[in-house]
Amino acid sequence: NAGVTQTPKFQVLKTGQSMTLQCAQDMNHEYMSWYRQDPGMGLRLIHYSVGAGITDQGEVPNGYNVSRSTTEDFPLRLLSAAPSQTSVYFCASSPGQGAGYEQYFGPGTRLTVT
Amino acid sequence: AQTVTQSQPEMSVQEAETVTLSCTYDTSENNYYLFWYKQPPSRQMILVIRQEAYKQQNATENRFSVNFQKAAKSFSLKISDSQLGDTAMYFCAFMKHVTGNQFYFGTGTSLTVIP
Repeated sequence: NAGVTQTPKFQVLKTGQSMTLQCAQDMNHEYMSWYRQDPGMGLRLIHYSVGAGITDQGEVPNGYNVSRSTTEDFPLRLLSAAPSQTSVYFCASSPGQGAGYEQYFGPGTRLTVT
Repeated sequence: AQTVTQSQPEMSVQEAETVTLSCTYDTSENNYYLFWYKQPPSRQMILVIRQEAYKQQNATENRFSVNFQKAAKSFSLKISDSQLGDTAMYFCAFMKHVTGNQFYFGTGTSLTVIP
């Protein structure tokens, strides 16, 4: 199993550009989430999904969209990038209660918005 | 919203010694999970240990153990026989059982193991 994969690893955007961060998992996990990590602030939940076709907002959803058309994929879209979105982004998946809700994290994407 | 507080931004410990990292949380929920995650310089998030709130027994995983005080809303991590590979950021996290997916993380403690 590849686990949770994220692409790209690094990205530089100009203000106003849009892009999609890709996330895929091959463990057949129902739950998937996106977090951002900023210095001194830990990880904050952006959006999450409890299954294909079902998504919901987390703590900091503004400026981001998600969709979940398949169990495997959970892309995060930045609609119009802003410098405040400079951060490290983590995708995570979880099998749910059967495994004690352990989350498996991807390697992260470092995004810089200039 | 739930809040998770880690009041020690940085800590250090001598190799082979024991260190305790603190975490407190605020919630009105009765059924929830607590986690400690480790983030080494590679940036990969790694689960260290988890605790289910309805279990009174403290969780242990090899050299890692927790002191879970539900009434005090405290969840500290003890690392015994510290090793150089334990050098990392450590994050405490809270999850409401009913959601299964919404994690709230603390701001982290940077632990350095000194040879």
